[in-house]
Amino acid sequence: DSGVTQTPKHLITATGQRVTLRCSPRSGDLSVYWYQQSLDQGLQFLIQYYNGEERAKGNILERFSAQQFPDLHSELNLSSLELGDSALYFCASSVDTSGYGYTFGSGTRLTVV
Amino acid sequence: EDKVVQSPLSLVVHEGDTVTLNCSYEVTNFRSLLWYKQEKKAPTFLFMLTSSGIEKKSGRLSSILDKKELFSILNITATQTGDSAVYLCAVPNAGGTSYGKLTFGQGTILTVHP
Repeated sequence: DSGVTQTPKHLITATGQRVTLRCSPRSGDLSVYWYQQSLDQGLQFLIQYYNGEERAKGNILERFSAQQFPDLHSELNLSSLELGDSALYFCASSVDTSGYGYTFGSGTRLTVV
Repeated sequence: EDKVVQSPLSLVVHEGDTVTLNCSYEVTNFRSLLWYKQEKKAPTFLFMLTSSGIEKKSGRLSSILDKKELFSILNITATQTGDSAVYLCAVPNAGGTSYGKLTFGQGTILTVHP
C-alpha cells in the first residue's frame, strides 16, 4: 500500500455521462497530481494542486475539472464522456511541489462504452 | 516543452539475459531523471539520477546518466520473469508554473520468458 488511495478502482459508464474520481494523498503530502495513461499516449500530466490551490495545468480537456479540498483529498471530474476518455487515471502525491518523492496511487480504470 | 523518448518500445528476452533500456531527454533546467517500474498498477520508483557518470545500483538493476549527451540507460542483468513490466523514464519540470510535474517517456515493455 503506497499510502495514496484512489477510488473507485474500476468504473464503467456510458458516453455523455459524468464521473468523479477521488484521491486521498499520503499522510503529510500537500501536493496532488493527476495523470492519464492511455495505450497510445502514455502517462500524461493533467493537473496539479498544492494545499488547496491549483498550481499547474497540463493537457487537461475543458470537460475535465479538479479540486483539492481542505482535508487535502482531491477529486477529478470528467463530464460529457467520450470513448476516447477510456484510460487509467492516476493520482500521485508529494510533500511539496519539487517533484521528488512522488507516490502514485493504484489508479482508477475508466471504461466508457 | 520537455521531451522524453525511450527505446526500444518493447523487448522480449529469456531468463538470464541482460537488457539495456534507453532514455533520451530534452528539458530546460534539468535537475534529475527518474526511472519507474510499472507492473499491473501504479508506477513504483526505481532510481533518481542527478549527476553524470555516477551509477546507481540496486541488486540486478543499475542506471547511469550522461548529462552531456542527454541520455540515461537502465541495465537489468540475469533477468527473471518477475522483471516483466513497463519501465518508465521521467523528468521533473524544474521551473515556471509546472514545477513538480513529471514528463514521462512512452515506456519500454519488457517481457521475460522462462
